[in-house]
Amino acid sequence: TAGITQAPTSQILAAGRSMTLRCTQDMRHNAMYWYRQDLGLGLRLIHYSNTAGTTGKGEVPDGYSVSRANTDDFPLTLASAVPSQTSVYFCASSSLSSGGGNEQFFGPGTRLTVL
Amino acid sequence: GQNIDQPTEMTATEGAIVQINCTYQTSGFNGLFWYQQHAGEAPTFLSYNVLDGLEEKGRFSSFLSRSKGYSYLLLKELQMKDSASYLCAVVDSNYQLIWGAGTKLIIKP
Repeated sequence: TAGITQAPTSQILAAGRSMTLRCTQDMRHNAMYWYRQDLGLGLRLIHYSNTAGTTGKGEVPDGYSVSRANTDDFPLTLASAVPSQTSVYFCASSSLSSGGGNEQFFGPGTRLTVL
Repeated sequence: GQNIDQPTEMTATEGAIVQINCTYQTSGFNGLFWYQQHAGEAPTFLSYNVLDGLEEKGRFSSFLSRSKGYSYLLLKELQMKDSASYLCAVVDSNYQLIWGAGTKLIIKP
């Protein structure tokens, strides 16, 4: 079982260009998340989806959009990249049930550099 | 505001014991996670506490005091492979994870 896959592994992008980071999970988890991780800061939630067809904004959603057409895929799009979006991006998923103890499983990450 | 505090970096000796502390101030509390993250890799789950007390899992234990807004991760019999960052995360009232910046643990022979 692959778990969660992300593509690409890394990317260098010119400022102003658009890009979609792909994320696919095969665990049939209903919830999926996009985080960015920057040196000295904790993981920050960009967008999330509790179930297919719904999405929500996290702590730092500006400049990013997501869609959740089905259970498995949760792509993250940067419409017009800026250098401050240089970061490592992690996709995660979890099953949602009552209570807060739903472990999140993480993909391997995408390292994005915007020049 | 919401805040998770952890030491930035700690150093310990192989074979020893180390305690990594985490204090939190969040809007609501629905549990606390500890994750391990090796350099260049994804975070992986270590433990989850929702009730006060100590949870032991092999060489790793995690403690929670909700009244004090405090948790610690205890690592025993340290091995070189334990060199990693350790992330504390609190589940808030919206069931979202609020993450600390992580503690980089350096193990020396």
